[in-house]
Amino acid sequence: AQRVTQPEKLLSVFKGAPVELKCNYSYSGSPELFWYVQYSRQRLQLLLRHISRESIKGFTADLNKGETSFHLKKPFAQEEDSAMYYCALSNAGGTSYGKLTFGQGTILTVHP
Amino acid sequence: DSGVTQTPKHLITATGQRVTLRCSPRSGDLSVYWYQQSLDQGLQFLIQYYNGEERAKGNILERFSAQQFPDLHSELNLSSLELGDSALYFCASSVGLRVRQGLEDSPLHFGNGTRLTVT
Repeated sequence: AQRVTQPEKLLSVFKGAPVELKCNYSYSGSPELFWYVQYSRQRLQLLLRHISRESIKGFTADLNKGETSFHLKKPFAQEEDSAMYYCALSNAGGTSYGKLTFGQGTILTVHP
Repeated sequence: DSGVTQTPKHLITATGQRVTLRCSPRSGDLSVYWYQQSLDQGLQFLIQYYNGEERAKGNILERFSAQQFPDLHSELNLSSLELGDSALYFCASSVGLRVRQGLEDSPLHFGNGTRLTVT
């Protein structure tokens, strides 16, 4: 069975500090990993997908298949980064691409 | 704005009742997904429809059902409601090309959700 684990429910940092949101997964097939973000009173929106290997809003995430991790990082956190972050996994080889398994989410608070 | 619209925004009903949640996907998207977000279970996949046909099922209870209509909007029907069904129900859509052509699908675009409160 596939599973996504976000060990930290809450994460607090100060503005300008580095931030890392942890995500570990278990999946026997070929996974595709995503980070979704939900700002206060807004809808869930895609932040990153591992196949794109791009940086969005200063965030990056590298898929480490050896450690089965997909941690989200940003070198200098901003107050507007405060939100709920979800790590999610999809079966890249399957026909239900959008059938995502989500982690429990991490609430990031960036203090001024 | 992602274009996925969900109605109603809020719904308060009593145990034992039945409700219908509605979702209109983004223009051009053929796949619709339903997710349930609750405090104890987190975000869980319920069901997917592609171009009117059921494509995948997740942790959806037998009391729940869904359908996608010819105009591609979808409805999620929840019956014999229990207190534990109180949650935020999200709809998401994607292009859905992967199913037809084996190509990479677009990421999911989520609606704002319907908050269901069962009293």
